[in-house]
Amino acid sequence: SQTIHQWPATLVQPVGSPLSLECTVEGTSNPNLYWYRQAAGRGLQLLFYSVGIGQISSEVPQNLSASRPQDRQFILSSKKLLLSDSGFYLCAWSLENNQPQHFGDGTRLSIL
Amino acid sequence: QKEVEQDPGPLSVPEGAIVSLNCTYSNSAFQYFMWYRQYSRKGPELLMYTYSSGNKEDGRFTAQVDKSSKYISLFIRDSQPSDSATYLCAMSAPGGYNKLIFGAGTRLAVHP
Repeated sequence: SQTIHQWPATLVQPVGSPLSLECTVEGTSNPNLYWYRQAAGRGLQLLFYSVGIGQISSEVPQNLSASRPQDRQFILSSKKLLLSDSGFYLCAWSLENNQPQHFGDGTRLSIL
Repeated sequence: QKEVEQDPGPLSVPEGAIVSLNCTYSNSAFQYFMWYRQYSRKGPELLMYTYSSGNKEDGRFTAQVDKSSKYISLFIRDSQPSDSATYLCAMSAPGGYNKLIFGAGTRLAVHP
């Protein structure tokens, strides 16, 4: 069966510091991969998605970037964090288009 | 107007009650409908996945889609305290890369 791992679970970073969040999927090949941000009491906002190695599409212009160096690895990065980057970041995968997405347990990011 | 509207609650019910959770949407192109359950500080977990209109049942959970009214529902029978969570509806249209549009989520509390 497929599993998704995200780490770290919690992260506290100062303003202006860099960021790297990692997500890996096991048990499947060539999944679609997604990064979301969830603000308190609000729905999920899609940040990036990828349908293959090296292919990244951005949904929202922002201070963040994403990369997919390997088939089942998805990384969310920033060179300089802003206070507004605080939130709950979720990685997800799906087998194909129009198939349900499956989520990791997220990273709670606090910027001080 | 948001593409997907969902009452944030909170909804508080006694154990054993039948719970009805609902979402309305504006985009008639949506064909795929999902319900996710999210416990505090965890990622969303897929509960139900339906295509087009109709009902789908899985144990104590029933999902209904009424495309003519642009309205979807999730019913929980014999609710348990372990059902206390936030429930998110999500939907997508055919084609593209499987962009899910989420409701903001309804918080449910089932008290013994």
